[in-house]
Amino acid sequence: GENVEQHPSTLSVQEGDSAVIKCTYSDSASNYFPWYKQELGKGPQLIIDIRSNVGEKKDQRIAVTLNKTAKHFSLHITETQPEDSAVYFCAASQSTGNQFYFGTGTSLTVIP
Amino acid sequence: SAVISQKPSRDICQRGTSLTIQCQVDSQVTMMFWYRQQPGQSLTLIATANQGSEATYESGFVIDKFPISRPNLTFSTLTVSNMSPEDSSIYLCSGQGAVDTEAFFGQGTRLTVV
Repeated sequence: GENVEQHPSTLSVQEGDSAVIKCTYSDSASNYFPWYKQELGKGPQLIIDIRSNVGEKKDQRIAVTLNKTAKHFSLHITETQPEDSAVYFCAASQSTGNQFYFGTGTSLTVIP
Repeated sequence: SAVISQKPSRDICQRGTSLTIQCQVDSQVTMMFWYRQQPGQSLTLIATANQGSEATYESGFVIDKFPISRPNLTFSTLTVSNMSPEDSSIYLCSGQGAVDTEAFFGQGTRLTVV
């Protein structure tokens, strides 16, 4: 089955700096890669996703890149703000199934 | 995206009892799932809730312990049966319109078994 690894597990950045979270996956059949943000006491919320036919996707301060050959994808947050502080999860799924395989999460702290 | 209402949001239960968690989606969804999230950890899929038929359970989870119902395309329940302290966790409901589309989540149920 699919194995998704996520690094780092914790990340602290100064407000205004950039944050990068990286994930690797094992199954080349995976073709959908969402990123979720989970705030304390809440369920995960989708912030951006990318499909395997695209190398990069951007939405304002958030961008995701995908390297299919190397089987890794990354989340980039620019101009970080304190409200970006949360736990971020990457995930991978395949067209042939409907299960999401989640990474282990990254706790991001943005220091004002 | 759809909105999922999950209740209760939290509960403290005695060991040996059962708790049923409800999940209501504000629109029809093709797929619904139940996850468990231990504090500070990632999400583990318990089962896929199938409309009108038995749920599909992942390895390590069984129907007797986690019976699931899904009577229609907008509602599902998960029961945690004969609870022990090891069942203390956050339980999350998720919905998805189609394969390879956004999965959205309820706010979770924080269960503590004493």
